[in-house]
Amino acid sequence: QSVLPQPPSASGTPGQRVTISCSGSSSNIGSNSVDWYQQLPGSAPKLLIYNTNQRPSGVPDRFSGSRSGTSASLAISGLQSEDEADYYCAAWEDSLNHWVFGGGTKLTVL
Amino acid sequence: QVQLVQSGAEVKKPGSSVKVSCKASGGTFTTYVISWVRQAPGQGLEWMGGIIPFSGTRNDAQKFQGRVTIRADKSTSTVYMELHSLTSEDTAVYYCARGGHYTASYSGWTGAFDIWGQGTAVFVSS
Repeated sequence: QSVLPQPPSASGTPGQRVTISCSGSSSNIGSNSVDWYQQLPGSAPKLLIYNTNQRPSGVPDRFSGSRSGTSASLAISGLQSEDEADYYCAAWEDSLNHWVFGGGTKLTVL
Repeated sequence: QVQLVQSGAEVKKPGSSVKVSCKASGGTFTTYVISWVRQAPGQGLEWMGGIIPFSGTRNDAQKFQGRVTIRADKSTSTVYMELHSLTSEDTAVYYCARGGHYTASYSGWTGAFDIWGQGTAVFVSS
C-alpha cells in the first residue's frame, strides 16, 4: 500500500477539467513540497509539477498543482488525448528521510 | 542539457547481484543528487536511494539498506547501483534520476527529479 494514496483511475472527455488527488500526512505533504510526474506508456516518468505548484519549462499551463493541509491535487484543464498517462505524486518523508511516491493514477481520455 | 544514459537490460538468477550504470553527459553532474527509482511490472514508482557524486554522500531507503550499493565515479560522470541477493520481486525497470542541486546551504535531497534515464529492465528468474 502506497504511503501517498491516489485514486487508481480517473477519466474525462476532451476539453474537460480533471483533478487527481494525493493524500499524505504531516510528515510528508504537510511539511514538504509536492511534485507530480507524468508517465506515458512505455516511457520514463517526466517532471510535470515541482514545489507543489511550479511548472518546468515546456509544461503547458493546463497543468496546475495545489496543496491543502496534508493533501495535494493535480488539475488538468482542457483535457487532450495526449494527456492519457499515469500520474504520480511524490513528497519527501521526514520520518524516514527519503522520498515517497503515490501509487499512481491512470488517466483515460474518453 | 544534461542527459542520463543507462546500461542495457539484464537477466539474473535469484541470489545473484545486478549492477546498473547511469552516465551523465552534457552538463554539471557532481553537485546534483542522483537517485535510483524502480518500477515493478504494472506497479508504481519506488525510491531506492541516492548519492551526491561531489561528496559521495549516500542515502538509502530503509527497505534496501544492506542490499543496495550506490557509488559514483566522478572521472566518468557515472553513477552505479548494485542490488544484491536478488529475488523475483526485484524484477523491475530501474531508473536513475537527477534530483536537487547540492550547495553549502542546501542538501539537495528534497529537490524534484527533473531529468530521468531511459530505464534498465532487470529480470530475475531461475
